[in-house]
Amino acid sequence: QVQLVQSGAEVKQPGASVKVSCRASGYTFTDYYMHWVRQAPGQGLEWMGWINPKNGGTYYPQKFQGRITMTRDTSITTVYLELSRLESDDTALYYCAKEADFYQNWGQGTLVTVAS
Amino acid sequence: DVVVTQSPDSLAVSLGERATINCKSSQSLFYNSNNKNYLAWFQHKPGQPPKLLLYYSSTRESGVPDRFSGSGSGTDFTLTISSLQAEDVAVYYCQQYYYTPRTFGQGTRVEIK
Repeated sequence: QVQLVQSGAEVKQPGASVKVSCRASGYTFTDYYMHWVRQAPGQGLEWMGWINPKNGGTYYPQKFQGRITMTRDTSITTVYLELSRLESDDTALYYCAKEADFYQNWGQGTLVTVAS
Repeated sequence: DVVVTQSPDSLAVSLGERATINCKSSQSLFYNSNNKNYLAWFQHKPGQPPKLLLYYSSTRESGVPDRFSGSGSGTDFTLTISSLQAEDVAVYYCQQYYYTPRTFGQGTRVEIK
């Protein structure tokens, strides 16, 4: 069965960077795009972009361009989300989601807290 | 960017009664080549990842109870819970996956009256 297992919670200071991982199993890793979605406390779901695990191609919405990087390591079927120049507004639960047009499978979420 | 707007923001329904959530897209989500609407519905409970309920606006995901149904086409869509159960208390989101960037509605909180 498909599983997406994310790395553990992180606490970061403002201005720092964070890197969250999402390890995939149960399907052919390079056949499906991986997306990232976040939810800040009390807020809705916010889409952060996608990565094509086959060739490493990415798409980021304008809001995050310049401080977001998605990468992948096909040898360990893992994708990564790195967000730099963190601010308090980046405190959120971050999810990876496997795309088959729609999101059938999600990671369990990684809490990133930005605080001084 | 395509704007997706849900209504209402919150909803209180008695157990066993019907709950209806609306979702409106600023652009059509209908793909002529396959006659499908690229809209999904998710249920989100605290401490859990979102759960896919419906895709292509009305196709129920495997294992989702048949009290959940979706309808609509183009720009206007509806999620209906035909007989609300206690376990349906959650926030519900619609999401369009026709256009990039993908966009979610703001969410609708469903509670028991």
